[in-house]
Amino acid sequence: QVTLRESGPALVKPTQTLTLTCTFSGFSLSTSGMCVSWIRQPPGKALEWLARIDWDDDKYYYTSLKTRLTISKDTSKNQVVLTMTNMDPVDTATYYCARGGRMIAYGMDVWGQGTTVTVSS
Amino acid sequence: DIQMTQSPSSLSASVGDRVTITCRASQSISTNLNWYQQKPGKAPNLLIYAASSLQSGVPSRFSGSGSGTYFTLTISSLQPEDFAIYHCQQSYSSPLTFGGGTKVEIK
Repeated sequence: QVTLRESGPALVKPTQTLTLTCTFSGFSLSTSGMCVSWIRQPPGKALEWLARIDWDDDKYYYTSLKTRLTISKDTSKNQVVLTMTNMDPVDTATYYCARGGRMIAYGMDVWGQGTTVTVSS
Repeated sequence: DIQMTQSPSSLSASVGDRVTITCRASQSISTNLNWYQQKPGKAPNLLIYAASSLQSGVPSRFSGSGSGTYFTLTISSLQPEDFAIYHCQQSYSSPLTFGGGTKVEIK
């Protein structure tokens, strides 16, 4: 059974750096074709894809947030970490991690439950 | 970046109705288009990948079609559990982008 779980602070102050961890089980991110993405959803708004890391350590970022985002993986721990610098109240959202892969045209077939992050002083 | 535009943004329908949602890409994405269903307070659930492939476990009343810049998601006979928000997403090129969502409500 494939599962993913997001963890991180529920509240961050403006200008701080957010660090989110996605801990997964049931698959290996060293398997060819596998990837993990981060997606967020502000309250009442659309989904916004943020970043993706592939099995071969290729990394992809949302254009307008590229300078603030860093994605990394620890294959031995089955974790993917996303950091976002200089947080702002507009970054308040539910943050999800999700598994994707070449076998499903890089759709995302298993999602974590999401973690809500509020940016406020 | 590739822009994804869904229409309508919301619709009202009755149980048993046939429902079609459209998604347009700002440039050709071949068949690299995925559809998700999201219920309140829950994470999205993959329904269709590669424009027309039904994800395992998804009821056959859901179908997808299209290529290039125009895509559709069809629910052949709407069921009570289908009232939700539907999202399209392109996986042709980075950054991967989502449409704005379509809310399907009960008439």
